[in-house]
Amino acid sequence: KQEVTQIPAALSVPEGENLVLNCSFTDSAIYNLQWFRQDPGKGLTSLLLIQSSQREQTSGRLNASLDKSSGRSTLYIAASQPGDSATYLCAVLGGSNYKLTFGKGTLLTVNP
Amino acid sequence: EAEVAQSPRYKITEKSQAVAFWCDPISGHATLYWYRQILGQGPELLVQFQDESVVDDSQLPKDRFSAERLKGVDSTLKIQPAELGDSAMYLCASSSDFPPYYGYTFGSGTRLTVV
Repeated sequence: KQEVTQIPAALSVPEGENLVLNCSFTDSAIYNLQWFRQDPGKGLTSLLLIQSSQREQTSGRLNASLDKSSGRSTLYIAASQPGDSATYLCAVLGGSNYKLTFGKGTLLTVNP
Repeated sequence: EAEVAQSPRYKITEKSQAVAFWCDPISGHATLYWYRQILGQGPELLVQFQDESVVDDSQLPKDRFSAERLKGVDSTLKIQPAELGDSAMYLCASSSDFPPYYGYTFGSGTRLTVV
């Protein structure tokens, strides 16, 4: 059974810092990995999707990397802003039934 | 930008009552998913549809939950009777392909509170 772990569970940083969120998964046989953002009480917004054959994806100040063999992904946020405050969720697609498995998320607070 | 529509946004119901949630996926998306997210946890799959057919409902508590997608477009998730432990965010998602190599698009969710 696939298990996804996100570290840290919570992170508080001052505005302007570069930061890294970590995601690890137990079964490396995945098809893709997706990073989502969730604001309090809201749905999920897709940030980046990395296919299993890719090493990284970039969108603006966000960069996600994937090391499938070691079961790890990182989400790098450059020059953080208070508007980046949210929960960031990592999800992997894998298994014979193509199931999406989520981590519990990292709660990010960027202080002005 | 195309969106997955969900309603209502919030629902408060008394335990033992019936409650229903509605989802309209992105036009043309054949695959539709219902997820449940308990506070502080990641979403977990309840049911998956491919067109109007259920592909996976192994995690759906079938004694009280039901889901349908009659014409292969919009979908309804029902709980009857609701229990206190059903309080959660219910999320609908759709994908343009299956397997979803191009990822999922989620709606804004329905926050259910059972009192």
